[in-house]
Amino acid sequence: GAGVSQSPSNKVTEKGKDVELRCDPISGHTALYWYRQSLGQGLEFLIYFQGNSAPDKSGLPSDRFSAERTGGSVSTLTIQRTQQEDSAVYLCASSLETGGYEQYFGPGTRLTVT
Amino acid sequence: GIQVEQSPPDLILQEGANSTLRCNFSDSVNNLQWFHQNPWGQLINLFYIPSGTKQNGRLSATTVATERYSLLYISSSQTTDSGVYFCAVGSGGGADGLTFGKGTHLIIQP
Repeated sequence: GAGVSQSPSNKVTEKGKDVELRCDPISGHTALYWYRQSLGQGLEFLIYFQGNSAPDKSGLPSDRFSAERTGGSVSTLTIQRTQQEDSAVYLCASSLETGGYEQYFGPGTRLTVT
Repeated sequence: GIQVEQSPPDLILQEGANSTLRCNFSDSVNNLQWFHQNPWGQLINLFYIPSGTKQNGRLSATTVATERYSLLYISSSQTTDSGVYFCAVGSGGGADGLTFGKGTHLIIQP
């Protein structure tokens, strides 16, 4: 079946602009995760959703970052007033449920802030 | 939070050689996954192995949860095995996200 999909695959934006990144999880997966991969920080976990709820937002790097999930499916990660340090690959993953189930990753969105 | 250490950081081998990659973690886990990141950045699932032993072709993995380590074995290496191998763990509780090690960069030379 279809895997996790993300869009856009690449995004170049100017410093100070807002961006929206989209994630489509595997059909039937109730848990959805956002990660970021950058040269300096490696792969870091940002936020997860169980259904439409995000119980813990403490992993988001700053209050310029927000995420939502509607209908228990698609999720968007929004970065307001982008900064150069936001440049990274943003990865989305999904799993059948939370609580230690295997996670499957999308291809990522490469964000470049100029 | 939980700490994950992978070794070695870099490994260069000739085609046909065998290799062992190690992942140490600092606390009990309810999830442990091995990934191969291909040159396009896609994370490919190799094993979901919070405990026990699994094999898939030339690859196998063992996790000894009581001693907090996991091993990934690659036998008869091929050039297509090159890339970065990540170990990632989940410790449960509230966050449910995976904590990744820094990876092992494997280069297989023909």
